[in-house]
Amino acid sequence: QSALTQPASVSGSPGQSIAISCTGTSSDIGAYNYVSWYQQRPGRAPKLMIFDVSNRPSGVSNRFSGSKSGNTASLTISGLQAEDEADYYCTSYTTTSTPWEFGGGTKLTVL
Amino acid sequence: EVQLVESGGGLVQPGGSLRLSCTASGFSLSDYWMHWVRQVPGKGLVWVSRLSSDGSTTTYAESVKGRFTISRDNAKNTLYLQMNSLGAEDAAVYFCVRAKSYQLDPWGQGTLVTVSA
Repeated sequence: QSALTQPASVSGSPGQSIAISCTGTSSDIGAYNYVSWYQQRPGRAPKLMIFDVSNRPSGVSNRFSGSKSGNTASLTISGLQAEDEADYYCTSYTTTSTPWEFGGGTKLTVL
Repeated sequence: EVQLVESGGGLVQPGGSLRLSCTASGFSLSDYWMHWVRQVPGKGLVWVSRLSSDGSTTTYAESVKGRFTISRDNAKNTLYLQMNSLGAEDAAVYFCVRAKSYQLDPWGQGTLVTVSA
């Protein structure tokens, strides 16, 4: 069981916006602004989409945005496109014995 | 271009050993913390181990502590994961990943480890 909790699945139609939540604790998400999000398409390696809660790496579409409130972080994808269909994972730095924790992953389906 | 390429995966019997390699190009391993992350096909990502940029600090997940060893060869710009006493629970795709601050980027393509008699 992952220390960070994500919904197992979300879905949306092309053009819509969706949000994926990632709930942690005061030892990880609530304590640090070091939340990042990764996109993993089938058979591919994960790709960094958001770092430090809300920053986008060069080359990532501005349709992807991140935020945090208390112990919960969120990834929002606006203007959904078919190519956004993938698994999304959150991670956060933590003060627990395991320095890196991943959420269980959320499967995004574009209807 | 910054790139990571893993190799060394394959079929191993329970109790056996395997050494994974991750060759970096476009940057020097000694400038970054490096990690191994694994994923059972169809399941989520699980952090395994990390090595500090100066090579002095190693950290392991409790599930692999005492069995896995992370190391690197600066001359070959290659990261390793020595895995001993392998069990069915270790079967997964293993990714090596570069860490920059608190970002994991880029990821290698992964190498599959299968544990079976």
